[in-house]
Amino acid sequence: DPKIIQKPKYLVAVTGSEKILICEQYLGHNAMYWYRQSAKKPLEFMFSYSYQKLMDNQTASSRFQPQSSKKNHLDLQITALKPDDSATYFCASSQQGVNERLFFGHGTKLSVL
Amino acid sequence: AQSVTQPDARVTVSEGASLQLRCKYSSSVTPYLFWYVQYPRQGLQLLLKYYSGDPVVQGVNGFEAEFSKSNSSFHLRKASVHWSDSAVYFCAVSMTNYGNEKITFGAGTKLTIKP
Repeated sequence: DPKIIQKPKYLVAVTGSEKILICEQYLGHNAMYWYRQSAKKPLEFMFSYSYQKLMDNQTASSRFQPQSSKKNHLDLQITALKPDDSATYFCASSQQGVNERLFFGHGTKLSVL
Repeated sequence: AQSVTQPDARVTVSEGASLQLRCKYSSSVTPYLFWYVQYPRQGLQLLLKYYSGDPVVQGVNGFEAEFSKSNSSFHLRKASVHWSDSAVYFCAVSMTNYGNEKITFGAGTKLTIKP
């Protein structure tokens, strides 16, 4: 059974629209993260949360907003979508920090037309 | 600052042959070093991790990696590969005394196993 659930698996959006990527982890972890992977760039760190608080943000654009309604949830809202946002977005979690084992979800593949 | 370089974007090896995937890192302090593997349409999974001690660290599925401080390297090895090892392998580094811990991944090496 997957312990980190990302929904949806595939997402097609039009330029300028808004989408929310869902992530739930059932590992009892305290830290959660978002990463982005595209053909042009290696795996990019976006955000890290610890105990539902934002710890680090390496995303230049305010169009990307993480939302943590519960300790085991970390959704990613993306507004004013652009074709360059097309990528696979991975949610990950760890007990405390990145020096421990990171567990990744299967990703949400976003295509912006 | 920290960085990771995986010089080989693609590696092809025959089944049963030995394997080495290269990784060079840069870190201003003692780093944590990782190898993660990504199978098709899946997220990354940890193969092994190194911080201190024996420079040769054992991982899952027969993989091992050797840390070299003098060469700033953390190469991944396997004595005999299986077709199921076909995947993308990522080397990663994180710093130990960085306030907000951040892990930096290399660009990945796509491994193809020939029958």
